[in-house]
Order: sequence, then structure tokens, then C-alpha cells
Amino acid sequence: DAGITQSPRHKVTETGTPVTLRCHQTENHRYMYWYRQDPGHGLRLIHYSYGVKDTDKGEVSDGYSVSRSKTEDFLLTLESATSSQTSVYFCAISESGGTGAYEQYFGPGTRLTVT
Amino acid sequence: GNSVTQMEGPVTLSEEAFLTINCTYTATGYPSLFWYVQYPGEGLQLLLKATKADDKGSNKGFEATYRKETTSFHLEKGSVQVSDSAVYFCALITGTSYGKLTFGQGTILTVHP
Repeated sequence: DAGITQSPRHKVTETGTPVTLRCHQTENHRYMYWYRQDPGHGLRLIHYSYGVKDTDKGEVSDGYSVSRSKTEDFLLTLESATSSQTSVYFCAISESGGTGAYEQYFGPGTRLTVT
Repeated sequence: GNSVTQMEGPVTLSEEAFLTINCTYTATGYPSLFWYVQYPGEGLQLLLKATKADDKGSNKGFEATYRKETTSFHLEKGSVQVSDSAVYFCALITGTSYGKLTFGQGTILTVHP
């Protein structure tokens, strides 16, 4: 199994509070991704990183920011949590950004509830 | 842009039944296609993939064939087991997308003994 951990695994927070989720990898993969999973929507990309300090927005980036100061860590921050951000968040990594032998590996997920 | 459409679920089958989960896609460029599986309480795992037209991906008795003419990548298994109960996601990537996967909405499969 790819070495990906997410912390915390579960969190309950109140509306308006800041929240940071951490993704840590031991594979030295270049690319890292944050997705959210909601019923009926599959997984939707929030932000991704293609190297240290290189990040870009995905399709549902509003209300989220990210940072990557080291290869192994990718942080997702909700500056002011809202109930619509209640979801399960998955981190993923990949060695390359192309097709062919490409594979993306997923972490175990973080269940976030905003009350 | 890219999009993936899966058949509506949930799907409920008896053990040893035949499984088909339909997946169709639209893509800019030439996509690679994937099926991921998510067991209860876990993250996603790659089940199989195909990178060019007419390729067949296979794993654990599951198969899917990349059909460019119908833009489809249907998942099949000849005889399902209770342990196959999970959520199945079809997904694609194109070469210019920094490895960003586009997912379908997922299909819940429940297999009864």
C-alpha cells in the first residue's frame, strides 16, 4: 500500500472556525491532490499540487486554500468553515501527471462535520 | 471539458450473478480510463485501467474494455461475491490535465448471499 496518511481522520467543528487537514506521504511522489466526496457527486477535485510550492485550483476550490512547503505534506485549509463543507475529504498522490503507466493512490479519508 | 457518467445505482445482486456497471465519457484529448473501488470506510483503490482504444483492463475477475467508438468503459464480472459489495467509480484522465482524475458519481453495489 502507498504510504499516505491523513489527519485528523474525523473532526467536528463549528461554522466560522478555521480548519486544517493534513496529508502526509512517504512515497516522494511529485503530485498531490485534495478531493471531496459527496453523495451523488462522486469525487470532486478541490486543489492539486505539481511540486513544492506549486499549486492550482480544481473544480470546487471556493472556500479552500492549500499549501505545500515540503514534498511529503499537503495541507488543506478551510478559512471559515460552512455547513456546505461537511464532507469526506480524500488526499491522493501520483508519481507522474500523465497517462500510460499512471496511477493515483488515495489516503483513508477525513470525515469533517461542520455544525 | 471532461465528464464521466455512470449508471444510476444502487445495484443489488445475488451471489454468483452477472454484473454490469455502465460508464460513458466525454473528453478533450485522448483519455486513459479507470475503475476505482471503495470498500466501506476506506479510501479508493485502483481496480483496473485501460490506456488506449480496444484495451481490456482486468483484475480480480472484473473486466472493462475501452470502446472509443461508443465512448464507453463498462465494468463486468461474471460471478459476483458478497465481498464485492462496495462503491465503484469510473474515472478518466487526459494527458494535459496534471494527473487530475475526473470521476463519475459512483455506483453502490450490494451483493446478497
